[in-house]
Amino acid sequence: QVQLVQSGAEVKKPGASVKVSCKASGYTFTSYYMHWVRQAPGQGLEWMGIINPSGGSTSYAQKFQGRVTMTRDTSTSTVYMELSSLRSEDTAVYYCARDTGRLPGTWGQGTMVTVSS
Amino acid sequence: AIRMTQSPSSFSASTGDRVTITCRASQGISSYLAWYQQKPGKAPKLLIYAASTLQSGVPSRFSGSGSGTDFTLTISCLQSEDFATYYCQQYYSYSRTFGQGTKVEIK
Repeated sequence: QVQLVQSGAEVKKPGASVKVSCKASGYTFTSYYMHWVRQAPGQGLEWMGIINPSGGSTSYAQKFQGRVTMTRDTSTSTVYMELSSLRSEDTAVYYCARDTGRLPGTWGQGTMVTVSS
Repeated sequence: AIRMTQSPSSFSASTGDRVTITCRASQGISSYLAWYQQKPGKAPKLLIYAASTLQSGVPSRFSGSGSGTDFTLTISCLQSEDFATYYCQQYYSYSRTFGQGTKVEIK
């Protein structure tokens, strides 16, 4: 069955970067795009961007342009999301989700990122 | 970016009620609209895509309708496990956007 396992919680200082991983299993990794979505505490869902694991091409939400980088490692079926210049407003749960017909279908368990001095 | 607006933001209902949540897009999105359910501490779950197509395994009491700019999610007979927050999402544009969510609480 499709499974997405994300890396553990992170605590970062303002200005630092964080890199969250998402390891996929149960399907052909390069056949499905991967979305990243975040959710601040008590808030709604925010789409961050998408990566094509096959060629590595990416598309980011305008809000995150210049601060987010999505990459993949086909040898380990893992995608990564790195967010730089962190600020307190970036405190959130970050989810990866496998694409299903152009939208997030199967989701990972989420990774809590806390930005605090 | 396309803005998605849900209403209401929250409401209380009883088991057995028929409930409807609306979602409005700031511009036409054809039928590129999905609905998700999220329970506290859990990842969202895809319920409906293409405005009205039920994802595999989702109970038939859930239904969706609409096209263009106005959409609805209906739960025909609310069950205890349906108390959750519901989000719409457009995928007409490459930059997908979510509505702000509608929390369905127990009356």
